[in-house]
Amino acid sequence: EVVLTQSPGTLSLSPGERATLSCRASQSFHSRSVAWYRQKPGQAPRLLIYAASNRATGIPDRFSGSGSGTDFTLTISRLEPEDFAVYFCQQYGRSPWTFGQGTKVEIK
Amino acid sequence: QVHLQESGPGLLKPSETLSLTCAVSGYSISRGYYWGWIRQSPGKGLEWIGSIHESGDTEYNPSLKSRVIISVDTSKNQFSLTVKSVTAADTAVYYCARAEVADFDSWGQGTLVTVSS
Repeated sequence: EVVLTQSPGTLSLSPGERATLSCRASQSFHSRSVAWYRQKPGQAPRLLIYAASNRATGIPDRFSGSGSGTDFTLTISRLEPEDFAVYFCQQYGRSPWTFGQGTKVEIK
Repeated sequence: QVHLQESGPGLLKPSETLSLTCAVSGYSISRGYYWGWIRQSPGKGLEWIGSIHESGDTEYNPSLKSRVIISVDTSKNQFSLTVKSVTAADTAVYYCARAEVADFDSWGQGTLVTVSS
């Protein structure tokens, strides 16, 4: 199966700063079938990005996704208070679909 | 707006069978999309269990395939998960979710399932 490795494990930033999260796959898979999710404590994950760079419905434009092949990035241009959470990447290009272990974005 | 709600027992003993149901409102399952189950545990993170299409086609994670069945009941607008012979390793929060392909755009709130003797 495709193993997704997210880095860093924890990102300590201040509101208004830019966050760059990485997701690296152990092997290539179909096209750009990568999604990103944000999960707040006690809640289900929420889809932010699909197909590597498309924002999901209702997601503000401070979120952007990029990448191809085995390297993908989620960028949050200016952190809002609600963005301090855990972020997961997921690939759905090669079954079984798999998730990364998560990056926690915490307040510095 | 689609809403998903999981239901089922929260506590099981080893070797028992886990049965969960996901009730869908605000969207008819028979219109399409894939409907999946994902679980989350501290030890294994997020793990895709399997998905079913409204047509009845299913796909499972090979790591669980021998113990898992996902079914759909379009008349009740719900789908279900069955996991046989549970162990402590199956303790997790179980989510049901909707996906256009396998990018899950709507999730239930999750239900904690604990396996303990």
